[in-house]
Amino acid sequence: NAGVTQTPKFQVLKTGQSMTLQCAQDMNHNSMYWYRQDPGMGLRLIYYSASEGTTDKGEVPNGYNVSRLNKREFSLRLESAAPSQTSVYFCASSGGTVAYEQYFGPGTRLTVT
Amino acid sequence: QKEVEQNSGPLSVPEGAIASLNCTYSDRGSQSFFWYRQYSGKSPELIMSIYSNGDKEDGRFTAQLNKASQYVSLLIRDSQPSDSATYLCAVNSRPGGGNKLTFGTGTQLKVEL
Repeated sequence: NAGVTQTPKFQVLKTGQSMTLQCAQDMNHNSMYWYRQDPGMGLRLIYYSASEGTTDKGEVPNGYNVSRLNKREFSLRLESAAPSQTSVYFCASSGGTVAYEQYFGPGTRLTVT
Repeated sequence: QKEVEQNSGPLSVPEGAIASLNCTYSDRGSQSFFWYRQYSGKSPELIMSIYSNGDKEDGRFTAQLNKASQYVSLLIRDSQPSDSATYLCAVNSRPGGGNKLTFGTGTQLKVEL
């Protein structure tokens, strides 16, 4: 039982490049989330998916797109990376016995130069 | 006004002492409250959840909730150096907010030998 997994762990991009961050959970959770964490700013919600087939914007969605591929997988895409997107990205899922408890993946550290 | 506020710290306590971490929230309709522990370079880990007024104990951890005053706290008894981490408070707001959580920016705890 791996919980929430994310790939890659680290990534360096040049401005304007694109990439997709992958997230998968094996806890049969309905809801999945993407956050970014910056020093002094805390965790900020980028996008979330309350259930398979639905996605909604969070607090900071600009510059990102998401796909809920199936119940297990939720990907985050940066179409044209900018230095302001340098951050640590966390995926989380919820929907177990206690609906609102969220469980986090190990994170992706992204640097955009 | 931030929705979830925490003192950033650092809060320094000697080994064996009680550490008290506080969090206030602005949405009076908030229903569910969580404490996460985050070690440097790692992802947030859920350590406590509380849903009703009063105290909830789990080992050395006690969560306290006072909805009338809109605060939630975490007490760590017999603090150990391994408790040194950043502690994040998270709040689930009204049912219309779905399963989303709003996080505070965290309090850094240092347990000194």
